[in-house]
Amino acid sequence: AQKVTQAQTEISVVEKEDVTLDCVYETRDTTYYLFWYKQPPSGELVFLIRRNSFDEQNEISGRYSWNFQKSTSSFNFTITASQVVDSAVYFCALSERSGLTGGGNKLTFGTGTQLKVEL
Amino acid sequence: DTAVSQTPKYLVTQMGNDKSIKCEQNLGHDTMYWYKQDSKKFLKIMFSYNNKELIINETVPNRFSPKSPDKAHLNLHINSLELGDSAVYFCASSQEGWNSYNEQFFGPGTRLTVL
Repeated sequence: AQKVTQAQTEISVVEKEDVTLDCVYETRDTTYYLFWYKQPPSGELVFLIRRNSFDEQNEISGRYSWNFQKSTSSFNFTITASQVVDSAVYFCALSERSGLTGGGNKLTFGTGTQLKVEL
Repeated sequence: DTAVSQTPKYLVTQMGNDKSIKCEQNLGHDTMYWYKQDSKKFLKIMFSYNNKELIINETVPNRFSPKSPDKAHLNLHINSLELGDSAVYFCASSQEGWNSYNEQFFGPGTRLTVL
């Protein structure tokens, strides 16, 4: 069974600090995708990034960057110069092929990391 | 022009009642999902439909029955509501292919409270 572990339950930082959210996953699939979603206090789930298992290049998008390391089964997320608006719960998720006909795409979520950015 | 919409946003009801949550997506996606988020924020998939066909059915009580009248809609009906059903229910959609794992876009969620 697939598993995603986000060991950090809650992180508090002061604005402008850099912060890294850890994600470790387990899967037997050779092809899989990893995702990060953000859930701000308003409650919606916002897609941030998708990464496939064959692409280990790091990705940067503005203040956000992701480090995918297959050797350690990790997909960590770093926010540079954090801002109060970054305060949210961040979920790492793993996609597996599933379903009754094998055509389903099931997301297995980690338990989330609550990030609090204070002034 | 909301991509994935759910109604109602809040639902408060008594134990034993039957209720439905509706979901619609205007993204042209062929796959839709229902997820449940409990009070500890844990998200777990319940069902998935691809082109109106049920393709994922996790271990969910029979009291929960999804219905997909067309590929843009996936409704969730819950019979005999129990206290433990209180949660936030998210609908999501994606465009799937046999070899692709595309991102899922989520609706705003429906907060169900069973009294």
